[in-house]
Amino acid sequence: DSGVTQTPKHLITATGQRVTLRCSPRSGDLSVYWYQQSLDQGLQFLIQYYNGEERAKGNILERFSAQQFPDLHSELNLSSLELGDSALYFCASSVQGGGNTEAFFGQGTRLTVV
Amino acid sequence: AQSVTQLGSHVSVSEGALVLLRCNYSSSVPPYLFWYVQYPNQGLQLLLKYTSAATLVKGINGFEAEFKKSETSFHLTKPSAHMSDAAEYFCAVRNNAGNMLTFGGGTRLMVKP
Repeated sequence: DSGVTQTPKHLITATGQRVTLRCSPRSGDLSVYWYQQSLDQGLQFLIQYYNGEERAKGNILERFSAQQFPDLHSELNLSSLELGDSALYFCASSVQGGGNTEAFFGQGTRLTVV
Repeated sequence: AQSVTQLGSHVSVSEGALVLLRCNYSSSVPPYLFWYVQYPNQGLQLLLKYTSAATLVKGINGFEAEFKKSETSFHLTKPSAHMSDAAEYFCAVRNNAGNMLTFGGGTRLMVKP
């Protein structure tokens, strides 16, 4: 158990809908990262938050947004869903954001868009 | 931009045989390199990381990796494969700001009895 909790584990929704994925980082970790894992794109970095502030953006679509709350949990919001958004979404956390920092990953939320 | 290439999307070995999973990186600065393992229906677990303290890095479950700057490689090895090693393995490089990990395409390791 990495200490990173993601809910829900599975989500099935229809095209055009909006969903929210939740992540609780390890106790004491200030940094939260979101990654998307799909068959065609592999594992891709989406966005990072550090202590409530957006720190870095990767290949995140405009339809997607995230935030980190004062209690440090994070939510990833996906809207106007398309079939191609079906993927495994991982959250990871680390104490800080340094280059040597180890990131601990949650078990992911599997999103299926039908 | 940093990148990672994993040669071989699938590797099959017999139980007890040497495991060698290849990773080459591209980075203009000394990289921070990691190997992660993903078991079916699970998240990513860190196997080991290169921190520049030593070129040979030992990780969990008997795995180790050697950083070779001249070859820009960070190959993962294990002397003797176990059935429980069957999983997908990802090599990753982290940028200096620590904002993101860039992953390779992954290598699925199959272990035959």
